[in-house]
Amino acid sequence: AQSVTQPDIHITVSEGASLELRCNYSYGATPYLFWYVQSPGQGLQLLLKYFSGDTLVQGIKGFEAEFKRSQSSFNLRKPSVHWSDAAEYFCAVNSGYALNFGKGTSLLVTP
Amino acid sequence: DAGVTQSPTHLIKTRGQQVTLRCSPKSGHDTVSWYQQALGQGPQFIFQYYEEEERQRGNFPDRFSGHQFPNYSSELNVNALLLGDSALYLCASSLRQLYNEQFFGPGTRLTVL
Repeated sequence: AQSVTQPDIHITVSEGASLELRCNYSYGATPYLFWYVQSPGQGLQLLLKYFSGDTLVQGIKGFEAEFKRSQSSFNLRKPSVHWSDAAEYFCAVNSGYALNFGKGTSLLVTP
Repeated sequence: DAGVTQSPTHLIKTRGQQVTLRCSPKSGHDTVSWYQQALGQGPQFIFQYYEEEERQRGNFPDRFSGHQFPNYSSELNVNALLLGDSALYLCASSLRQLYNEQFFGPGTRLTVL
């Protein structure tokens, strides 16, 4: 079955530092991949998506992600983190009409 | 442009009761999916509705049922509530041809006592 793994449960970065959140997927063909962000008590906001084409995908809020088929990865990056980026981040892969989500990575931003 | 809306925001029920959650999709969207998110977990797919029919179902028991109305809004019904049904229930909407690009509502927090 199609699935994603987010190896890091918690990540702490300093404000202004760069960020990379890891996501590995398991899928037989070319997957559709997504990153969502969830603030406490809120729903999910779509940051970016990969369907096909250019493997470097730009999203909202200054985020980008790179699809690497050889590594089965779709890591999320941001060059300079702001305190408002503190949230839970979820990677997801399509499974028919559904999305299968990872367990999430909680991002803490320190001053 | 109205996003996905859900009601109620919070709900408290007791074991054995039944609950109905409601969702209105984003303007222009015709497909609705429901997810359950337990505390500290990622969302789990319950089912997706399109043209008032259940199109795909996740690994949830028959106690979970749904409905989609002609105006594309949707309901999620859960019967015989268990303590383990306590979770955030998320509704997501999409276009039929882009059914994987899903936009989420704020969720309904269900607590079962």
